[in-house]
Amino acid sequence: GAVVSQHPSRVICKSGTSVKIECRSLDFQATTMFWYRQFPKQSLMLMATSNEGSKATYEQGVEKDKFLINHASLTLSTLTVTSAHPEDSSFYICSAGDRGGNQPQHFGDGTRLSIL
Amino acid sequence: QKEVEQDPGPLSVPEGAIVSLNCTYSNSAFQYFMWYRQYSRKGPELLMYTYSSGNKEDGRFTAQVDKSSKYISLFIRDSQPSDSATYLCAMSANDYKLSFGAGTTVTVRA
Repeated sequence: GAVVSQHPSRVICKSGTSVKIECRSLDFQATTMFWYRQFPKQSLMLMATSNEGSKATYEQGVEKDKFLINHASLTLSTLTVTSAHPEDSSFYICSAGDRGGNQPQHFGDGTRLSIL
Repeated sequence: QKEVEQDPGPLSVPEGAIVSLNCTYSNSAFQYFMWYRQYSRKGPELLMYTYSSGNKEDGRFTAQVDKSSKYISLFIRDSQPSDSATYLCAMSANDYKLSFGAGTTVTVRA
C-alpha cells in the first residue's frame, strides 16, 4: 500500500535551533502534501499545504516565516521550524494522497519535537 | 458547534466484543469519509475510506455512511487487544482539507 515516510522521528534540541523535518512519498508521486501539528490528547491541526513547485498555503494563525515549507520534488516535502522555542514542541505529522488526488490521505509516523 | 463531533470516550470492551464508533457532522458538502487508527506516538493509519455514501467492509472492519442523517460509523468485529488505540474519523468536502473528529480512545481487555 501507499507509504509516507517521515524523518526524523524524534528531535531534541536547544532553543534557537532550526529543525528540518522530511516527508517522503515512497511509492507514489504527490503534487500536494499536508503538514499537521498534534498536541497531546488532541486531534490533528492542519498547518499548511505543500505544493510541488510553488509556495505553500498556510492556515490562519500559522506563521509562514516560522514554519518554512519546501516541496522541491514530487516525492519530498520539508518543514523547517526556524529559531525553535519551547512552545514549538509538539508532534508534527505529514500526509499525502496516492490516488492522483488528495483523498484518502496517508500519514507519516510523525516527528516528536522537543525544544529545551 | 464543531463541524465534526466524536465522543472521545474512553471506550473499554472485552476481547471478542464488537466495537462501535461513530461521528456526526454538520457540513452537508462532505463527501470523502475516512477512519484512521492512531497508536500512541505514531501517525494515523488509514483503516477505511468511503466516497459519498454506503457501506464498506474490509476484514473485521465495517464502515457505514448515512449522508441523510450526517452520521458515519465504524464497527470492529472480534476485537483484539491489538485494536486498542485512538480512532479518528475524518471527512472532506473537496479533494483538499480534512476535518477531524476528536478521536475515541478504545481499550480492548484481554
